Amino acid sequence: EAQVTQNPRYLITVTGKKLTVTCSQNMNHEYMSWYRQDPGLGLRQIYYSMNVEVTDKGDVPEGYKVSRKEKRNFPLILESPSPNQTSLYFCASSSRLAGMDVGELFFGEGSRLTVL
Amino acid sequence: GESVGLHLPTLSVQEGDNSIINCAYSNSASDYFIWYKQESGKGPQFIIDIRSNMDKRQGQRVTVLLNKTVKHLSLQIAATQPGDSAVYFCAEGPNNNDMRFGAGTRLTVKP
Repeated sequence: EAQVTQNPRYLITVTGKKLTVTCSQNMNHEYMSWYRQDPGLGLRQIYYSMNVEVTDKGDVPEGYKVSRKEKRNFPLILESPSPNQTSLYFCASSSRLAGMDVGELFFGEGSRLTVL
Repeated sequence: GESVGLHLPTLSVQEGDNSIINCAYSNSASDYFIWYKQESGKGPQFIIDIRSNMDKRQGQRVTVLLNKTVKHLSLQIAATQPGDSAVYFCAEGPNNNDMRFGAGTRLTVKP
């Protein structure tokens, strides 16, 4: 089954304790992206990757890091989490089209993170 | 700055009725519009899209209407079913990699 898998689905942590949210897709997609979803704000893009070893900042990259060493994996790293990073996080993947354009986005089921 | 928004945060309809969910956008340069459905505890799921050179597009039980003059987008769901209960949100931008997402409207279908 074609899917985007995120782990963990739920996490409660404390300020400053480094954490990683993993994202893996089995559709051989070139493009992967991370979003956060907060009440009343809709999805906001954190980082995206057009292909292996290529990553770029989205709209809200502060406090986050990513890496793309393999095509299927795109982990989101919070080096020193803070309470304002409490949110619902979504990973998405897509096939790459021409230029900066990508195809339909396939989303994971989300990771709810609480930073105390 | 530019924003994507929704007229109504909640919508309740009777099963079998038609639903209309509205979305206002402010970036007149946007070329691509998508409606997503998000069920509780799940990620967003693509429903239907439309480009700015069209004003209507139909799918299975869903129709998207685009009015560029007033920068308004709507999603019509025919014969709404309990399985349609979810949060629906629109997104707009030049392409899938550069979308602005609305906050969403919660649709509740009453049996």
